Amino acid sequence: EIVLTQSPGTLSLSPGQRATLSCRASQSVSNSYLAWYQQKPGQAPRLLIYGASSRATGIPDRFSGSGSGTDFTLTISRLEPEDLAVYYCQQYGSSPPYTFGQGTKLEIK
Amino acid sequence: EVQLLESGGGLVQPGKSLRLSCAASEFTFSSYAMHWVRQAPGKGLEWVSTVSGSGSYTDYADSVKGRFTISRDNSKDTLFLQMHSLRAEDTAVYYCAKGVGVMTLYNWFDSWGQGTLVTVSS
Repeated sequence: EIVLTQSPGTLSLSPGQRATLSCRASQSVSNSYLAWYQQKPGQAPRLLIYGASSRATGIPDRFSGSGSGTDFTLTISRLEPEDLAVYYCQQYGSSPPYTFGQGTKLEIK
Repeated sequence: EVQLLESGGGLVQPGKSLRLSCAASEFTFSSYAMHWVRQAPGKGLEWVSTVSGSGSYTDYADSVKGRFTISRDNSKDTLFLQMHSLRAEDTAVYYCAKGVGVMTLYNWFDSWGQGTLVTVSS
């Protein structure tokens, strides 16, 4: 089973700044089969990125994903107050079991 | 727009059973694998189970294997999760999620329901 470790646990930034979230896998994620989800308070998760770097339908281009192998990054440029959320990575290259990271909480100052 | 509506959650005693449902609409249900993902209070996401589009193939997390059964009724566009021998650690919001292919492998989850809360307590 691939274990995903996200860092930092919490990130506190101001509107307009750039957020960089990390997701590290315990072994290589085949074909960069990695997704990112956003979960706002009290809501269900929403797909942001799949295939490590492809944006889901309707996701603003402020959100971008990169990486391969064991190291992946979600970047949110020009933060907005509505970006307050917990962000999860998920691997689907060695599935099942599908595994998620423990999440990064993004706070907007 | 894809719609997923879960139901069936509630308070149940340890050792008892519960069946969750997820009504799907606005997409060709039988063409996609479907998944259950849960989230314990204040915790992260945990994949629970997956069923292929036809219903012929299923997979389970080790934590629920032998106790939970996933199934689907493609004539009614509905996904199910039958849960037996429930434990306190099964307490969570259960989400149904749509996969992106017909098989159980290599799926990400492109649409999610709002979830249904299952509380296991005496």
